[in-house]
Amino acid sequence: EAGVAQSPRYKIIEKRQSVAFWCNPISGHATLYWYQQILGQGPKLLIQFQNNGVVDDSQLPKDRFSAERLKGVDSTLKIQPAKLEDSAVYLCASSLGAGGWSGANVLTFGAGSRLTVL
Amino acid sequence: TQLLEQSPQFLSIQEGENLTVYCNSSSVFSSLQWYRQEPGEGPVLLVTVVTGGEVKKLKRLTFQFGDARKDSSLHITAAQPGDTGLYLCAGSTGSARQLTFGSGTQLTVLP
Repeated sequence: EAGVAQSPRYKIIEKRQSVAFWCNPISGHATLYWYQQILGQGPKLLIQFQNNGVVDDSQLPKDRFSAERLKGVDSTLKIQPAKLEDSAVYLCASSLGAGGWSGANVLTFGAGSRLTVL
Repeated sequence: TQLLEQSPQFLSIQEGENLTVYCNSSSVFSSLQWYRQEPGEGPVLLVTVVTGGEVKKLKRLTFQFGDARKDSSLHITAAQPGDTGLYLCAGSTGSARQLTFGSGTQLTVLP
């Protein structure tokens, strides 16, 4: 089966500019996640969707970050305006199910989108 | 917020050596996962442990979940250069729907 697709792979912008990342999850996966991974750190959850509804966005900086999941399939993550500290890899992941532990909650990650803010 | 601390942060060893990395927390997790991440790629799941005291083996990798389900270890026997990567542990509580990741252990195995 095809994996989680993300684009662009790399993006360099000036601070205060805007950027958008796109994710196409594995077909049939109900749950989609966006993680931020700063160099030298583990991934931090930004937002979790189940179908097209938001399950958790408690760590999303809502003054500058926004995300949507179109028709419960693809998703976009937008940053506007970008700050220097937003430089990171933005990872998208999907899973068949959600909630507690089960075999359906195995996450498959995409390769990520590396953002550099100058 | 559950915090997962991994140690060591960096580890560089020669091919053929054994190693252990640790994942510790003050929180109890219903399950704990280990991932490996290579440069330019997303994390890939290696194993999930769900029962306190559980031991799982994956070829030369041995994973253990602590009896109290607060800690875990990963032991690699006879490391190979292909084992090089960032090893991440991630814990999940029974009612939460998200994984909390540790900061990772960067392993380099030199030929």
